[in-house]
Amino acid sequence: GENVEQHPSTLSVQEGDSAVIKCTYSDSASNYFPWYKQELGKRPQLIIDIRSNVGEKKDQRIAVTLNKTAKHFSLHITETQPEDSAVYFCASGHDSGGGADGLTFGKGTHLIIQP
Amino acid sequence: EAQVTQNPRYLITVTGKKLTVTCSQNMNHEYMSWYRQDPGLGLRQIYYSMNVEVTDKGDVPEGYKVSRKEKRNFPLILESPSPNQTSLYFCASSLKGVGGTEAFFGQGTRLTVV
Repeated sequence: GENVEQHPSTLSVQEGDSAVIKCTYSDSASNYFPWYKQELGKRPQLIIDIRSNVGEKKDQRIAVTLNKTAKHFSLHITETQPEDSAVYFCASGHDSGGGADGLTFGKGTHLIIQP
Repeated sequence: EAQVTQNPRYLITVTGKKLTVTCSQNMNHEYMSWYRQDPGLGLRQIYYSMNVEVTDKGDVPEGYKVSRKEKRNFPLILESPSPNQTSLYFCASSLKGVGGTEAFFGQGTRLTVV
């Protein structure tokens, strides 16, 4: 089955600096790559996603890049703010037409924004 | 309001006492799934369902059962809970198979088995 590796497990950055979280996946059939943010005590919520026909996607201070050849994708957060402190999960999945077996998640990155 | 609702939010039970965690969504989603979240292990899929009466095992199905008799409901059943099932559980739903769309998560159920 699919295996998703996520690094680093903890990332501490100064407020205003950029943060980058990286993930690799193993299943070349994967074609959907979402990122979820989970604040303390809350449920995971989608912040951005990318599909395999696109190399990069941006939404204000957040961007995701995808390299299908190397099977890795990254989350970039610029001008970090205190409210960016959370656990971030990458995931991969694919729609196999007749069936779909769900998202495979990375183990998460605890992002800490230092004031 | 579009949402996924789990109950209960918190549950403490004893080993071997059957329990059910309910999950309901009001978005007419075909796809529903259960995850457990443990420190350092991320979110691991327990079971998923692609539609009514269609369920399948995820990565960690041992000790769990599910059913999908109606589109909106997807209960998680622990027939004989054990302490290693102490965890934070999330139900999620999406419009169709995972290749397409956002997964909406419930608010979570924190289960402790003593």
